[in-house]
Parts: sequence; C-alpha cells; structure tokens
Amino acid sequence: GAGVSQSPSNKVTEKGKDVELRCDPISGHTALYWYRQSLGQGLEFLIYFQGNSAPDKSGLPSDRFSAERTGGSVSTLTIQRTQQEDSAVYLCASSVRQGDYEQYFGPGTRLTVT
Amino acid sequence: GQSLEQPSEVTAVEGAIVQINCTYQTSGFYGLSWYQQHDGGAPTFLSYNALDGLEETGRFSSFLSRSDSYGYLLLQELQMKDSASYFCAALSGYALNFGKGTSLLVTP
Repeated sequence: GAGVSQSPSNKVTEKGKDVELRCDPISGHTALYWYRQSLGQGLEFLIYFQGNSAPDKSGLPSDRFSAERTGGSVSTLTIQRTQQEDSAVYLCASSVRQGDYEQYFGPGTRLTVT
Repeated sequence: GQSLEQPSEVTAVEGAIVQINCTYQTSGFYGLSWYQQHDGGAPTFLSYNALDGLEETGRFSSFLSRSDSYGYLLLQELQMKDSASYFCAALSGYALNFGKGTSLLVTP
C-alpha cells in the first residue's frame, strides 16, 4: 500500500503570508504526528492526533501554528503570518495507534520563508 | 523535561564496526527507538528496545540499559550506504522524543 504522503514537497512564501501543509497518512493508521526539522537538527515534536483529536498541543511553537485532522485521515498544519524562523522541513508521520514505537514518515514539506 | 544526548558526528571505515551512544532523561519512559535518515530523505525505523539487553536485526543491533538511562546502536560490516544520520528517540506515553542525531560518515 501507499506510504505517508505530504504536499507540497516545497513551499516558498513571503514573510507574513499564511501557509497550509497537508499530510495523508497510511490507511488505517489512527495516530498522526507532525514534526519540524531545521537544517542539521533533530526532529522537534509539534502535535499528534489520535483519530481526529489532538490531546496535546503544547509542542506547537506559537499560536500562529494550528493543525486539524478530519475523518481520521488527512491532516493540515497551518502557519499564519509566517516568519523567517519558520523555515524548516515539516515532517508528518503515522502509526497504527498512539504510543507505537514505529512511526512511518512522509517525505516532508520544505518551507522557505523569504 | 525530556532530553537525549548523542554524538553529533562519527566517522568510520567501510567494513568496520561503529557504536552510536545515546543517553536520555525522560519522564514516563517506555523504550528507545532508533531511526536512520539519509540526506533529503525521511526517517526510517531501525530498532526498538523496551527491555534491557541487546536486540539484533541483521547488521544492526541496539542495546538498552534502563538503570543507566543509556542505549546504543551498533552497526557492523559498515557499508558506504550506511552514511546517514541516526537518531535515538525515547518513547514516552504517546510520542517519540528525538535526539539531535548523529551524522555517520563511512569512508573507503
């Protein structure tokens, strides 16, 4: 079956604009995770979903960041009023259920804020 | 808080053995995962330890000591394609907390 897909693969935006990043997890996976990876850095956890619920949003860097998941499948990460420090690769992962040690990652969206 | 420490870079020769260490401070610790990421690629799962001891998967092995809050990834018979970043990640409750990664360079 298909793996985790993300779109767009690359996004260049001007400072102050809003962006939406999309993640399509593996079918049947109930848990979905968003991470951010800056150049040469580790993965910074942002938020996770179990079904359509996001029990913990504390990893979101600021109130400019929000995420939703509908139908227990596709998720959208929205960044409002983008700043240059938002430039990074945004990775999405899914797992069969929350708390799984094996997560399946998508190819990521490279966001560049100019 | 949550923190994982691992070396930033390691260099080894093709055919050799290399060990990448990871120490962690994590509340509600369940186990330690290891992921590989090639440049420009997505992280992929390698191994997981929930209990103390060694887990072997082909050329890769992973070790955990819960009492020492320490683990390592052992790569044997290194190949050029093993050049990548390796991340340890602590499973705590619902999510994985990743270290900053170790960049492994395999030289001829």
